[in-house]
Amino acid sequence: EAGVAQSPRYKIIEKRQSVAFWCNPISGHATLYWYQQILGQGPKLLIQFQNNGVVDDSQLPKDRFSAERLKGVDSTLKIQPAKLEDSAVYLCASSSNRGGETQYFGPGTRLLVL
Amino acid sequence: GNSVTQMEGPVTLSEEAFLTINCTYTATGYPSLFWYVQYPGEGLQLLLKATKADDKGSNKGFEATYRKETTSFHLEKGSVQVSDSAVYFCALNIQGAQKLVFGQGTRLTINP
Repeated sequence: EAGVAQSPRYKIIEKRQSVAFWCNPISGHATLYWYQQILGQGPKLLIQFQNNGVVDDSQLPKDRFSAERLKGVDSTLKIQPAKLEDSAVYLCASSSNRGGETQYFGPGTRLLVL
Repeated sequence: GNSVTQMEGPVTLSEEAFLTINCTYTATGYPSLFWYVQYPGEGLQLLLKATKADDKGSNKGFEATYRKETTSFHLEKGSVQVSDSAVYFCALNIQGAQKLVFGQGTRLTINP
């Protein structure tokens, strides 16, 4: 079974530029999560989707971050405009049920904002 | 609120030493508890989990017991190997809220 796929693996941009990350969850997983992991900290949930609907986006900075999951499969997370403090690893995870017990993580996208 | 506190790192041990990484939690409901591991350059992998009080999760020689009375889920391994060097994250998942809350992570380095 293929795991969670993410791209790109690394991205370097300047502040005020925009960037987008892509995630393809495990086949058949209805729930998809985006986390932000700042260096030295644990992952923090940004947004949770159930199929193509948003379940929880309470910690998403909506003035600059957006995410979509069209057709309930893969997802895109966008930052526009980026700030220095957005430098982090962005992790995508999926689970088979709504908030199912086990979440499976992708390798992450490491973003550096200069 | 819901939170997870892990012991401060980094932790450095010699090969074959005994490992304990402490984890305590605060939760408003009845959480499931998890340990995830992150090897260098890789994503998080589930190491073990426990879904109710007194459950013991185990995998790859690691164990952790869900202690409701002390709100703890300490990770242990009897004899560590160099390949266990990684960052370990304790996490909880509140049924109903259905999202993971992570601790800050503990970096473990095993020297040969």
